[in-house]
Amino acid sequence: QVQLQESGPGLVKPSETLSLTCTVSGGSISSYHWSWIRQPPGKGLEWIGHIYYTGTTNYNPSLKSRLTISADTSKNQFSLKLSSVTAADTAVYYCARHEVGSYGVFDYWGQGTLVTVSS
Amino acid sequence: QLVLTQSPSASASLGASVRLTCTLSSGHSTYAIAWHQQQPDKGPRYLMKLYSDGSHNKGDDIPDRFSGSSSGAERYLTISSLQSEDEADYYCQTWGSGTWVFGGGTKLTVL
Repeated sequence: QVQLQESGPGLVKPSETLSLTCTVSGGSISSYHWSWIRQPPGKGLEWIGHIYYTGTTNYNPSLKSRLTISADTSKNQFSLKLSSVTAADTAVYYCARHEVGSYGVFDYWGQGTLVTVSS
Repeated sequence: QLVLTQSPSASASLGASVRLTCTLSSGHSTYAIAWHQQQPDKGPRYLMKLYSDGSHNKGDDIPDRFSGSSSGAERYLTISSLQSEDEADYYCQTWGSGTWVFGGGTKLTVL
């Protein structure tokens, strides 16, 4: 069964860049679509951005100017970089796999990692 | 604009049934959605994909107590024989035109 694990710093200073990696095990990232999703403390889920293993991406328009998502098939990983962060970017960040076929729904999720933006 | 609307909260008694609602925005009534469960202090878990005709495909190991149905722009998640572990936040999710959208979530309390 596929498993996803987020990793990266738990604390980032304001104006710096937040960097996270999702490592996929139990399956290849090739032939699948993948997304990053976040959840501010006490709030709901927000889709951040999507990548296909070939490198094709879609970004949430509200984050697009600060966002880069990339994939490394040799490491079976995909990554998130969010620049110029503020306290509003404090959240639990999840990576998720899209279902095969229509790739419309997220059928596997990571456990999430909390990132706090603070000086 | 593609928007999903959910009631913020719901409650039902242990052993009873409850139906949660997710409403698609105008012009999107034929869209399929997904339901996800988030138990306290855990990551979300995929429950099912639900089509406009009410057919649905469940995720791995999802009990038969969870079922889905549809009517017009509304998508429903019904949980029968409620158990304490069903107390959780439930999110609906859909997609279109290169974007993915979540509803605001419904917090289910099992009394």
